[in-house]
Amino acid sequence: EIVLTQSPGTLSLSPGERATLSCRTSQSVSSTYLAWYQQKPGQAPRLLIYGASSRATGIPDRFSGSGSGTDFTLTISRLEPEDFAVYYCQQYGYSPRTFGQGTKLEIK
Amino acid sequence: EVQLVQSGAEVKKPGESLRISCKDAGYSFVNSWIAWVRQMPGKGLEWMGLIYPGDSDTRYSPSFQGQVTISADKSFSTAYLQWSSLKASDTAMYYCARLVAGFGSYGAFDIWGQGTMVIVSS
Repeated sequence: EIVLTQSPGTLSLSPGERATLSCRTSQSVSSTYLAWYQQKPGQAPRLLIYGASSRATGIPDRFSGSGSGTDFTLTISRLEPEDFAVYYCQQYGYSPRTFGQGTKLEIK
Repeated sequence: EVQLVQSGAEVKKPGESLRISCKDAGYSFVNSWIAWVRQMPGKGLEWMGLIYPGDSDTRYSPSFQGQVTISADKSFSTAYLQWSSLKASDTAMYYCARLVAGFGSYGAFDIWGQGTMVIVSS
């Protein structure tokens, strides 16, 4: 099973700042199969990024993904109030599909 | 508009059986893979399994193999997640999600249902 480790566990930032979230995999994952999701309290997750760097439909361009091999990054260029949430990375190219434990992005 | 609509919250006793549902309200159900994801209270996301309603091809996570049954009914455009004997540890929110088209069973989860809360308590 591929283990995904996200860091930091909690990130405290202010609106307008840049957020950088990390996802490290226990073995190399093709960038084709790496996704990022956003989950707000009481809501279902929402797909932000798939294929490591492709934005899902309707996702603002302040969200970007990058990385390869075992290290992947989600960047939010300028935080909006609605961006404060929990973010999960996922690999979906190998069975079992696995998620990271999440990074909570909170308002400083 | 693509939409997955899940059945309502359930409160059950240990040992009881349960089937929850996920109805595709607006897409080509038989041509999409559907995943089930568990989220225990205050915890992260866990992939349970996948089904392709077109031919009922089903894949399970080893963690959930034998613990649940995933099925689908094409005529009702509905996928199901079923337990034969619930445990207190099955208490969780359960989400269905449709995989991004074009990648077979190796797609990201792009459309999610609203979730079904299952509470198992004596």
